Amino acid sequence: QQQVKQSPQSLIVQKGGISIINCAYENTAFDYFPWYQQFPGKGPALLIAIRPDVSEKKEGRFTISFNKSAKQFSLHIMDSQPGDSATYFCAASVSGSRLTFGEGTQLTVNP
Amino acid sequence: DAGVIQSPRHEVTEMGQEVTLRCKPISGHDYLFWYRQTMMRGLELLIYFNNNVPIDDSGMPEDRFSAKMPNASFSTLKIQPSEPRDSAVYFCASSFHRASYGYTFGSGTRLTVV
Repeated sequence: QQQVKQSPQSLIVQKGGISIINCAYENTAFDYFPWYQQFPGKGPALLIAIRPDVSEKKEGRFTISFNKSAKQFSLHIMDSQPGDSATYFCAASVSGSRLTFGEGTQLTVNP
Repeated sequence: DAGVIQSPRHEVTEMGQEVTLRCKPISGHDYLFWYRQTMMRGLELLIYFNNNVPIDDSGMPEDRFSAKMPNASFSTLKIQPSEPRDSAVYFCASSFHRASYGYTFGSGTRLTVV
């Protein structure tokens, strides 16, 4: 119930394309859904987050889409750039408690 | 603010030796988390503290692992004795008011036990 399932494990996109990473959860008590970006040799960094009272949140080229009934949320990266190549983690928590992370998606954006 | 500071960045040790990893959280953050990252298991929460008090250590793999937070600006994760399977990247993260404002991770300590 505490798991967050993330897919795909790896993703290759051409420069300018759209990258889409999906996550699914079971625990309906989750009420905070952040995405983290991790570059090699660095710790994960908060990218964007959403709460279930909205269906979409956009920050620049990054958008979270949230489907409460399906218990799914996804990260869309528009106009993907080589500098976006990194590992992306979705996560979820209940009332700001400990985060449960997905397995991670390694994104490669080819020039 | 310099962010979450971890030391050392890299540690290579022999099996059976004691290893101590260090973390300085962001000033004013009241939660501190220790994570372990491996290819096989991803990001695993080992233990977390609130106001220097351990809240949940259920992720600590076994008695060889211990963590302390003697004050608001310092925490240690100790492995004694270390084993090759402990090889991983260990991250410290801190946050204000749980995860509501997101965790800030340090750059990690890459531990190799040979």
